[in-house]
Amino acid sequence: DIQMTQSPSSLSASVGDRVTITCQASQDISNYLNWYQQKPGKAPKLLIYDASNLETGVPSRFSGSASGTDFTFTISSLQPEDIATYYCQQYDNLPYTFGQGTKLEIK
Amino acid sequence: EVQLVQSGEEVKKPGESLKISCKGSGYSFTSYWIGWVRQMPGKGLEWMGIIYPGDSDTRYSPSFQGQVTISADKSISTAYLQWSSLKASDTAMYYCARPVRGVIRDWGQGTLVTVSS
Repeated sequence: DIQMTQSPSSLSASVGDRVTITCQASQDISNYLNWYQQKPGKAPKLLIYDASNLETGVPSRFSGSASGTDFTFTISSLQPEDIATYYCQQYDNLPYTFGQGTKLEIK
Repeated sequence: EVQLVQSGEEVKKPGESLKISCKGSGYSFTSYWIGWVRQMPGKGLEWMGIIYPGDSDTRYSPSFQGQVTISADKSISTAYLQWSSLKASDTAMYYCARPVRGVIRDWGQGTLVTVSS
């Protein structure tokens, strides 16, 4: 299986801060990586697909990038409604695998 | 509109069997894979396996192979996840999801399974 190492596991930031989360794949996955947001009691929601493509309807403060097997998810200016847990997911090979998640809190 | 509607919450005892369901609508059920994702209390997302209802091709994550069975009934556009003998460690929220070329835009609402004596 392809392992996805996501960091940090938790993050506390202030409204307006720039927030960055990273995922490292255990092998080359090209750009076959997605980012999801999950709020408590809800199913995950797709934010970024193919490493850097913003899903329709998702605010432009969210972005993603890739460099080799390293992937970065950024919120340019944190808003109160962004409080959630964020996951990366690779789909280069079955079984698809998720990162461990990053729980984002407001400072 | 694509919808995945899952069956309701279950409370079971260890050793009991269980089959939960996920009904797809708004798209051609037989043309897209359906996957299952586990989320244990307070934990992250785990990919369990996936089925192609068109021909019932099923692929399991190694961690779940032999522990669960994934199936589908294309006549009623429904996918299933079943256990033959539940354990307390099966307590979790289970989501079905429809990946399209690996990208998951459509999720079920989740089925909470509680296993307790």
